[in-house]
Amino acid sequence: DAEITQSPRHKITETGRQVTLACHQTWNHNNMFWYRQDLGHGLRLIHYSYGVQDTNKGEVSDGYSVSRSNTEDLPLTLESAASSQTSVYFCASSESVFSGSGNEQFFGPGTRLTVL
Amino acid sequence: RKEVEQDPGPFNVPEGATVAFNCTYSNSASQSFFWYRQDCRKEPKLLMSVYSSGNEDGRFTAQLNRASQYISLLIRDSKLSDSATYLCVALYGNKLVFGAGTILRVKS
Repeated sequence: DAEITQSPRHKITETGRQVTLACHQTWNHNNMFWYRQDLGHGLRLIHYSYGVQDTNKGEVSDGYSVSRSNTEDLPLTLESAASSQTSVYFCASSESVFSGSGNEQFFGPGTRLTVL
Repeated sequence: RKEVEQDPGPFNVPEGATVAFNCTYSNSASQSFFWYRQDCRKEPKLLMSVYSSGNEDGRFTAQLNRASQYISLLIRDSKLSDSATYLCVALYGNKLVFGAGTILRVKS
């Protein structure tokens, strides 16, 4: 079965360190997304990609970067981790991004990141 | 004003009850809407898509009111397993915007 996986599932790091969170999907979806979820907020979009070599900033992109070298993977990098980046991070993918069927997003299991 | 707003709850209901959540959205241009379910500390999972006036799937009914810009989710015959957070989502342009969620607790 097609799926979307994230690793690591839990990560503790120190302020200032570079951290990379992995996301891998076997749906063969062109569209991939990274969100963070914090108490009191809905999921907030960090970065997204519509295909290989395409990346775009979301509403909370400061301090994060992504790269898309193939269809399956969209790693999220925290350049210099800050305590404000302690959160749960979800990766998602979708077949389409336009109105109509196929634009539902499917989520990975999440990565719980703690920055000390 | 938030783009997608939900009552955070919690809604505490007995088993077998009918419960309804409302969600309002600010952008009248949005064409697609979704309800996702999220269990504690887990990923959101798609419950229903709403493209026209509504959708029904078993005990779950979603309705869309474009004039008043709200989407509702009705759950009939609530089960203990329905306890979760329900996320209302709107497609704005080519991005999804999530509400903060409504907590449902079904008690025996």
